[in-house]
Amino acid sequence: DAGVIQSPRHEVTEMGQEVTLRCKPISGHDYLFWYRQTMMRGLELLIYFNNNVPIDDSGMPEDRFSAKMPNASFSTLKIQPSEPRDSAVYFCASRKLAGADEQYFGPGTRLTVT
Amino acid sequence: KNQVEQSPQSLIILEGKNCTLQCNYTVSPFSNLRWYKQDTGRGPVSLTIMTFSENTKSNGRYTATLDADTKQSSLHITASQLSDSASYICVVRDTGGFKTIFGAGTRLFVKA
Repeated sequence: DAGVIQSPRHEVTEMGQEVTLRCKPISGHDYLFWYRQTMMRGLELLIYFNNNVPIDDSGMPEDRFSAKMPNASFSTLKIQPSEPRDSAVYFCASRKLAGADEQYFGPGTRLTVT
Repeated sequence: KNQVEQSPQSLIILEGKNCTLQCNYTVSPFSNLRWYKQDTGRGPVSLTIMTFSENTKSNGRYTATLDADTKQSSLHITASQLSDSASYICVVRDTGGFKTIFGAGTRLFVKA
């Protein structure tokens, strides 16, 4: 398996623009997670899905952020409009089972908003 | 409040030396604790996972310990290598997996 795939790997955009980050989880994994990582705040869970259904979105910072999972093999995280403070590395991770099962992280998307 | 605190924030050691990273947590009720290694520019990768009943778990040169009574864990790296240079993140999950709390990480630099 190729692992969790994220695109793009790098994104530079201007403030106010819409940004869409994409994720393909590992086939057969029922859970998908979106994280944001910054130097100041470390890794933060934004939202996670189970069987394509959003379960906990309490980490989504504002209404400008939205996430969808239209099918088991694809998810998007959208920021509209983007702001400079959204600059961070966004990770997608997937997991097969609940509980102690390991999460597998993608390579991340480095977002820079100018 | 559920928290995970790691120390030191950063550490520099010479190649071949040993080191120990610390993780203290207040997450309750406790389910499991996982140590991740994150290389620069990459996603975290799991090193070890420990549940309430486990005291020690090894993965090659990495040995994690857990004291559930004092709510402390450590990650010991033996005979460090340049490739050990990375961030090490402690992650604690509560029973049922409804809350996953991430530590801020320890940045380890191994120098030749």
